Amino acid sequence: AQSVTQPDIHITVSEGASLELRCNYSYGATPYLFWYVQSPGQGLQLLLKYFSGDTLVQGIKGFEAEFKRSQSSFNLRKPSVHWSDAAEYFCAVGAENTDKLIFGTGTRLQVFP
Amino acid sequence: DAMVIQNPRYQVTQFGKPVTLSCSQTLNHNVMYWYQQKSSQAPKLLFHYYDKDFNNEADTPDNFQSRRPNTSFCFLDIRSPGLGDAAMYLCATSREGAVNHEQYFGPGTRLTVT
Repeated sequence: AQSVTQPDIHITVSEGASLELRCNYSYGATPYLFWYVQSPGQGLQLLLKYFSGDTLVQGIKGFEAEFKRSQSSFNLRKPSVHWSDAAEYFCAVGAENTDKLIFGTGTRLQVFP
Repeated sequence: DAMVIQNPRYQVTQFGKPVTLSCSQTLNHNVMYWYQQKSSQAPKLLFHYYDKDFNNEADTPDNFQSRRPNTSFCFLDIRSPGLGDAAMYLCATSREGAVNHEQYFGPGTRLTVT
């Protein structure tokens, strides 16, 4: 069965530091992959997506993610974190032959000044 | 701007008193979803509509119902809310089904059950 794993429940970084959030997926074919961000009390906002082509994907707010088929990973990165990036981040994969997304359990990012 | 709108943003209801949450979209998307999200958890899909076709998740309690009277609107009805139904309820839309899974989320409705 398809699944998404986000190994880090909670990450704390200093403002200005680099960031990498991990995501691993289980899927037989080329997956549709997504990163969403959720600020407290808000809905989910799409940061970026990967469907095919260039494995390095640029998103909004200075985020990027790299699809690595050999590692079944789609890690999210940002070179310099801002305090406003503090939020919950969800990785998701499109479930095969359905209209659904499979979400990971999320990583909560805390940013210290 | 085209968007997904949820009303109300905050809803307080009493134990056992029926409540309806509303979602509307100006994106003209075929698919509309309802998710339940409890604190510090991933969104959990309750059901979704592909056009008028209703798709219920196997583990969604019968207490939760939905209506989609037209393309733009979708409602979540909780017939007899229990304390365990207190959560954020998220509505989302998608332009297509399996081909394009990108979903657009509304801001959510925070439901409190007293």
